[in-house]
Amino acid sequence: DAGVTQSPTHLIKTRGQQVTLRCSPISGHKSVSWYQQVLGQGPQFIFQYYEKEERGRGNFPDRFSARQFPNYSSELNVNALLLGDSALYLCASSLGQGGDEQFFGPGTRLTVL
Amino acid sequence: SQQGEEDPQALSIQEGENATMNCSYKTSINNLQWYRQNSGRGLVHLILIRSNEREKHSGRLRVTLDTSKKSSSLLITASRAADTASYFCAEMDSSYKLIFGSGTRLLVRP
Repeated sequence: DAGVTQSPTHLIKTRGQQVTLRCSPISGHKSVSWYQQVLGQGPQFIFQYYEKEERGRGNFPDRFSARQFPNYSSELNVNALLLGDSALYLCASSLGQGGDEQFFGPGTRLTVL
Repeated sequence: SQQGEEDPQALSIQEGENATMNCSYKTSINNLQWYRQNSGRGLVHLILIRSNEREKHSGRLRVTLDTSKKSSSLLITASRAADTASYFCAEMDSSYKLIFGSGTRLLVRP
């Protein structure tokens, strides 16, 4: 079975631009979570979606938004990019909303110049 | 910050030795999960221990949980060069989001 997939692998943007990152969960998983990992730190929670509804939001500005589609894939959008948004963006999928293992994709490396 | 702390921040051992990493957390957890990350790539799930469990094994991995001290430890026995990576603990809180620690960088020398 395929694991969590993310696209693109790498992305370079300039300040003020907008970016869309994509994630496909493991088949049968209904929950997708997004995390931001800045170099040298642990991942920070951004959003959780379950059954197409937002179920949790971390301490990130409104420039960050996300959605989940009927096939349970998800997109993370970041508007008005700042240099500080440069990070590895990780998507994780889990079976349900509850206390299950979360399985991570390879991440999208975003560089903002 | 809600993030927990991991200790040590870095660990260097010889192949064949055991490696122990400790993690302290802050919330009332649903469960605690350990992950491995190689060179800034995706996280690999290692083991999940629930709040009502005290110890769990998986191959060469042993995880303990002490909810009274809000701490957990990961033991890797008979380490290999391929175990070189960063290891993170992540507490799952009551809203089912993972709160990660700062990680332990493990180097296993051949």
